[in-house]
Amino acid sequence: DIQMTQSPSSLSASVGDRVTITCRASQGISNSLAWYQQKPGKAPKLLLYAASRLESGVPSRFSGSGSGTDYTLTISSLQPEDFATYYCQQYYSTLMYTFGQGTKLEIK
Amino acid sequence: EVQLLESGGGLVQPGGSLRLSCAASGFTFSSYAMSWVRQAPGKGLEWVSAISGSGGSTYYADSVKGRFTISRDNSKNTLYLQMNSLRAEDTAVYYCAKDTAFYCSGGSCYSDYWGQGTLVTVSS
Repeated sequence: DIQMTQSPSSLSASVGDRVTITCRASQGISNSLAWYQQKPGKAPKLLLYAASRLESGVPSRFSGSGSGTDYTLTISSLQPEDFATYYCQQYYSTLMYTFGQGTKLEIK
Repeated sequence: EVQLLESGGGLVQPGGSLRLSCAASGFTFSSYAMSWVRQAPGKGLEWVSAISGSGGSTYYADSVKGRFTISRDNSKNTLYLQMNSLRAEDTAVYYCAKDTAFYCSGGSCYSDYWGQGTLVTVSS
């Protein structure tokens, strides 16, 4: 099984800050990585897929990069509505998709 | 507009069974694979199961293999999750999600729309 390790597990930042969240796979996943945002009591929302492709309607301040086993989600200038929990998910292995453990982004 | 509406959650005793349903609308249901993902209270997301657009291919997490069965009725635009031999650790909100291809293999698809979830509580 492919394990996904996300870091940090929590992060405090201020409006306007640039933040980066990292996701590391236990083996290469060929950019088969999605990022989701989840707010309390709500379903996850797709932000990016194929590591760096922005889902339609998602603000351009969100971006993704990486290759092989290491991937990052960057928010260029935090907005109040961005405070949420973020998850990465690999979909390279059909037999079992796996999520990272999540990163809770809180207001400083 | 894509809509996914889960139902069937509730309180069940350990060892019991429950069947979840997910009614889909706003897209050609039979053209897309579907997934179930769960989230235990205060915890992260855990992928549970997936099924191809035809229903001919199914996949399960090790934690539910042999106890849960995913199925779909394309004539009713409905996805199901039959859960047997339930354990306390199965307590979670269960989300259904639409995947982005008919058949998911080797990185070909991910989940682009999610329902609001249904809570399953396993407790005596």
